[in-house]
Amino acid sequence: DAGVIQSPRHEVTEMGQEVTLRCKPISGHNSLFWYRQTMMRGLELLIYFNNNVPIDDSGMPEDRFSAKMPNASFSTLKIQPSEPRDSAVYFCASSFWQQETQYFGPGTRLLVL
Amino acid sequence: GQQVMQIPQYQHVQEGEDFTTYCNSSTTLSNIQWYKQRPGGHPVFLIQLVKSGEVKKQKRLTFQFGEAKKNSSLHITATQTTDVGTYFCARYNNNDMRFGAGTRLTVKP
Repeated sequence: DAGVIQSPRHEVTEMGQEVTLRCKPISGHNSLFWYRQTMMRGLELLIYFNNNVPIDDSGMPEDRFSAKMPNASFSTLKIQPSEPRDSAVYFCASSFWQQETQYFGPGTRLLVL
Repeated sequence: GQQVMQIPQYQHVQEGEDFTTYCNSSTTLSNIQWYKQRPGGHPVFLIQLVKSGEVKKQKRLTFQFGEAKKNSSLHITATQTTDVGTYFCARYNNNDMRFGAGTRLTVKP
């Protein structure tokens, strides 16, 4: 199994631009999580899906952030417009069910100038 | 949701010394998971504890779940430079998954 796949691995953009992060979970997993990691705030859960349905998006910072999961093998996290404070590492993780072991992708390192 | 408090935030040890990180919750936990993140890497699952008073071992790592299921610990015996990284506890409760702030371990050879 290839594990959780994320793209791009690195993204540098200018303030105000739209950023789209992509994730392919492990085949057969029912739950998908998006996290943001910074030195100041640690590892924060942004949103998670069960069977492609968003269950808890209380961690999404504000309306500039949106996430979709159109099918079991693909999810996106979009930031529009991006701001410098959005600079962080964004991880996607998947699991068989929400309380089970999570398998993390390699992360997307986002820098907003 | 209730956070899990993890201490210490940082720990620097000499190679061969022991290391322990603690995870505490004000509420009873259904389970607790431990992850390790190497510098520049992503969190990797180590273990899950479910039962009250449970103790599990992985080579030099010993994981404990408190009798009241409100705290947990990870102990590393005789640290090695390969143990460097940040250790996170994570708890799942009532559809809510939360990670502790992590303990960053550095090991001096």
